[in-house]
Amino acid sequence: GAVVSQHPSWVICKSGTSVKIECRSLDFQATTMFWYRQFPKQSLMLMATSNEGSKATYEQGVEKDKFLINHASLTLSTLTVTSAHPEDSSFYICSAWEGRSTDTQYFGPGTRLTVL
Amino acid sequence: KQEVTQIPAALSVPEGENLVLNCSFTDSAIYNLQWFRQDPGKGLTSLLLIQSSQREQTSGRLNASLDKSSGRSTLYIAASQPGDSATYLCAVVMDSSYKLIFGSGTRLLVRP
Repeated sequence: GAVVSQHPSWVICKSGTSVKIECRSLDFQATTMFWYRQFPKQSLMLMATSNEGSKATYEQGVEKDKFLINHASLTLSTLTVTSAHPEDSSFYICSAWEGRSTDTQYFGPGTRLTVL
Repeated sequence: KQEVTQIPAALSVPEGENLVLNCSFTDSAIYNLQWFRQDPGKGLTSLLLIQSSQREQTSGRLNASLDKSSGRSTLYIAASQPGDSATYLCAVVMDSSYKLIFGSGTRLLVRP
């Protein structure tokens, strides 16, 4: 089956620093990748939609200057949390969609971000 | 605005029991509905996807039904096992943007 990886799986950083999270589709090309955030005991909330070669589309209430998304290739999207603060601590999950033959999105294992 | 609700929020059952998880959505004009499983601290595993034109999908001990007109879906798990313990999430897609709108999940514990 299709595999999506995320790196790192967890990260702890100081307030004010920037953190980059990578999402890779390992055995298929992803036309679109989605980034979600999940706070403890809550469901996933879509942050942005990323299409290869174009600017990401952000959901209402998500600061695009704080959460920088780059989808430079069909197998890699990155989310950079700039000037992270404790309230950005969360579980970030990406999903990848091939875009043609299937409606199924494949999810990465997630990245736990803790900002001190 | 689409809202997805899951009931119950948590469920604890003895091993071997059949169970039903419920999902409801406010806007019936969905593109498809999906059920996922999430283990603690992990990503999501897709279980079943039901297109808007379909009534149900089955995979092994899992059966998901969809009643679009009433805005409801159920996930039926037969002969539950301790390994089924996880959080089950339902999500709807409204259009070809394929954005998933998630419910809050049902935390299932199957006791040996």
